[in-house]
Amino acid sequence: DAGVIQSPRHEVTEMGQEVTLRCKPISGHNSLFWYRQTMMRGLELLIYFNNNVPIDDSGMPEDRFSAKMPNASFSTLKIQPSEPRDSAVYFCASSFETVSRYGYTFGSGTRLTVV
Amino acid sequence: DQQVKQNSPSLSVQEGRISILNCDYTNSMFDYFLWYKKYPAEGPTFLISISSIKDKNEDGRFTVFLNKSAKHLSLHIVPSQPGDSAVYFCAAEPYSGGGADGLTFGKGTHLIIQP
Repeated sequence: DAGVIQSPRHEVTEMGQEVTLRCKPISGHNSLFWYRQTMMRGLELLIYFNNNVPIDDSGMPEDRFSAKMPNASFSTLKIQPSEPRDSAVYFCASSFETVSRYGYTFGSGTRLTVV
Repeated sequence: DQQVKQNSPSLSVQEGRISILNCDYTNSMFDYFLWYKKYPAEGPTFLISISSIKDKNEDGRFTVFLNKSAKHLSLHIVPSQPGDSAVYFCAAEPYSGGGADGLTFGKGTHLIIQP
């Protein structure tokens, strides 16, 4: 298995532009998580899905952020419009829903820079 | 409010000695605790976990200890090796009766193994 695949690896965009981050979870995993890592706040959970259904989006910082999971093999995190304070590394992770003891598998992340 | 705290941003240990990384938590609803390891430009990778009904779990050179009364856990690495140099994250998940609920992470401890 290729693991959790995120694209792009790096994204540089201008303030006000729309940004879309993509994630392909591991086949067979039915939970998917979006995290954001910053120096100040560490790793924060933004939103997670079970069986393609959003369960908890309380970590999404503002209405500018939205996430979708149209099918079991694809998810997107969109920021519109983007702001410099959105600059961070965004991680996607997937797991079997009841197997927390084995941990989540993380992708390599997307480093977003908003200038 | 930080529910999972790693109070040491960095730790330097000589190769061959024991590395002890500490983590404190405040939420008594946490049911599973995990440690992740992260290298630069990569996503976190799962290392070891422990259920709240246990006080110790061992996997090779890695042992996690849980003290529920003190709301404290620690990761011991013996003997420490140069490849162990990385950022280590403590994470916790609340009990939900099944289904992944998203992990809450500490801010991480940068472990440096000195030759």
